[in-house]
Amino acid sequence: GAGVSQTPSNKVTEKGKYVELRCDPISGHTALYWYRQSLGQGPEFLIYFQGTGAADDSGLPNDRFFAVRPEGSVSTLKIQRTERGDSAMYLCASSLDRGGEQFFGPGTRLTVL
Amino acid sequence: GENVEQHPSTLSVQEGDSAVIKCTYSDSASNYFPWYKQELGKRPQLIIDIRSNVGEKKDQRIAVTLNKTAKHFSLHITETQPEDSAVYFCAALGGGRRALTFGSGTRLQVQP
Repeated sequence: GAGVSQTPSNKVTEKGKYVELRCDPISGHTALYWYRQSLGQGPEFLIYFQGTGAADDSGLPNDRFFAVRPEGSVSTLKIQRTERGDSAMYLCASSLDRGGEQFFGPGTRLTVL
Repeated sequence: GENVEQHPSTLSVQEGDSAVIKCTYSDSASNYFPWYKQELGKRPQLIIDIRSNVGEKKDQRIAVTLNKTAKHFSLHITETQPEDSAVYFCAALGGGRRALTFGSGTRLQVQP
């Protein structure tokens, strides 16, 4: 079946702009995770959804970052007033349930000029 | 929270040799330890994982060992091939945390 997909694959924006990054998890996976990966580093946790609710958003760096998953499937990560330091690869992962194997999407590379 | 340290940051071996990557973790409640391989510009892909109720797991040329007492786990790749060249990440999960905590990665280069 289809794996985790993310769109867009690349996003270039200007400082101060608003961006939305989309994640389509594997069908039937109830758990969805957003991670951020800077060059040369491991992925860092941002937020975790179980179903429609954000079960853990402790990794979001500040209130410019927000994510939703209104129907328990597709999720959107939203970043307001982007800053150059937000430039990174944003990875989405899903798993059948919490604690299960996480499958990663191809990521969205965000560049803030 | 959890802290995962990974060593070495880079590793170069000759084709056919073995490679070992080591990780330590801080939270004794962690109970799931996956290893991901990430090729340049691609997504992390799970290559092997181990849960805290076993000490070793093997899958063909890849093995992982876990020492719960010392809180460290290692990835062993035997008979390395050039296509094993990639960045490898260890991670830990458990203790009520909802997401993986990753190590900083090891860039493995297998010289033909």
